Amino acid sequence: DAGVIQSPRHEVTEMGQEVTLRCKPISGHNSLFWYRQTMMRGLELLIYFNNNVPIDDSGMPEDRFSAKMPNASFSTLKIQPSEPRDSAVYFCASSLKTIGRGLTDTQYFGPGTRLTVL
Amino acid sequence: AQTVTQSQPEMSVQEAETVTLSCTYDTSESDYYLFWYKQPPSRQMILVIRQEAYKQQNATENRFSVNFQKAAKSFSLKISDSQLGDAAMYFCAYRSQETTSGSRLTFGEGTQLTVNP
Repeated sequence: DAGVIQSPRHEVTEMGQEVTLRCKPISGHNSLFWYRQTMMRGLELLIYFNNNVPIDDSGMPEDRFSAKMPNASFSTLKIQPSEPRDSAVYFCASSLKTIGRGLTDTQYFGPGTRLTVL
Repeated sequence: AQTVTQSQPEMSVQEAETVTLSCTYDTSESDYYLFWYKQPPSRQMILVIRQEAYKQQNATENRFSVNFQKAAKSFSLKISDSQLGDAAMYFCAYRSQETTSGSRLTFGEGTQLTVNP
């Protein structure tokens, strides 16, 4: 299996520009997660989809951030307008969530996108 | 809300020796899951080992094992026969069993492990 694929791996942009991060989850997985990693706040969940539907977006910092999952094999995280404080590594993870007890929905992470906003 | 604490920002170990990384967590739930992830310089988050709270037996994966103490809310990771490739940042993570918030991973601050040749 190819694993979770993220693009781009690195993004440098200027303040005020729109940034779009992309994620392709592992084939067959039905849950997708966007995390952000910074030195100050560590790893934090931004949003989580199950069967393409946003379930928990309480971690989305503000209206400048939006995420979509138009189908089971693709998701985007958009920042508009971007600010220097958005500089971070953004991870996408996916899992297969099933009903019942157990660790079937262990999350597998992509390589991350390092975003720098100047 | 659950919290995860890793009290050791940095640890070092000699190659072939054993090292233990500490993790404590706070929760009012009785059923949950715990994980250790490894993040090498490549930044990739790699699952190392996982534990279901309802299982009393400690999980093991080759050279990696955990000491899960549910009453003490402690979940330490032991790495035996340390190898240079084990050098990385290690994160402890908690996941609830509850359906609504069950998929959220709460991470600790991380422990940077150095392996000396």
